[in-house]
Amino acid sequence: AQSVAQPEDQVNVAEGNPLTVKCTYSVSGNPYLFWYVQYPNRGLQFLLKYITGDNLVKGSYGFEAEFNKSQTSFHLKKPSALVSDSALYFCAVIGTGRRALTFGSGTRLQVQP
Amino acid sequence: GAGVSQSPSNKVTEKGKDVELRCDPISGHTALYWYRQSLGQGLEFLIYFQGNSAPDKSGLPSDRFSAERTGGSVSTLTIQRTQQEDSAVYLCASSSGQHNTGELFFGEGSRLTVL
Repeated sequence: AQSVAQPEDQVNVAEGNPLTVKCTYSVSGNPYLFWYVQYPNRGLQFLLKYITGDNLVKGSYGFEAEFNKSQTSFHLKKPSALVSDSALYFCAVIGTGRRALTFGSGTRLQVQP
Repeated sequence: GAGVSQSPSNKVTEKGKDVELRCDPISGHTALYWYRQSLGQGLEFLIYFQGNSAPDKSGLPSDRFSAERTGGSVSTLTIQRTQQEDSAVYLCASSSGQHNTGELFFGEGSRLTVL
């Protein structure tokens, strides 16, 4: 079975400060990892993915994520948060031989001005 | 439009009634997925279609749920004899290739409320 854990229901950060949204996973074989964002009253949008190669992946809107195989983690980061980054963030994983992404329960990011 | 289109955007129904939710994927996308988003529960996989292959129905929660995809394009998710626990946002997504390397494009969802 494959699973994703997002341990924080909500993350609060001040505008201009760095942000981290945590994600850990469990899969068989090599993982393919994704981050999606859901703005209020909008559909989910793809942010970034890790398939292979560099452990640090850069994505849309200045976000990046670091794949750590030993810790089975794929934390989402941004050096300087914006108020407009406030949204619901989902981590997702798929393992070898599986056919559909498994999503985490989501983390609500609140950036305060 | 160019994106994934879902209808209806909102549906309120009475317990025991049947509902149909429609998804129009991005033109040319061979893969289509249905997920369910319940409050505080993240996204729950329901069913996956890829081209002409048999669908992966492993996520359907009960035999009251079914889905079809006609002509490799539009998909309909049907829930029979709805229950209150079926209340959720039903999300459709499509992708152009293998889901494990490509990104999914999501619709805005159909919010189902069962009274």
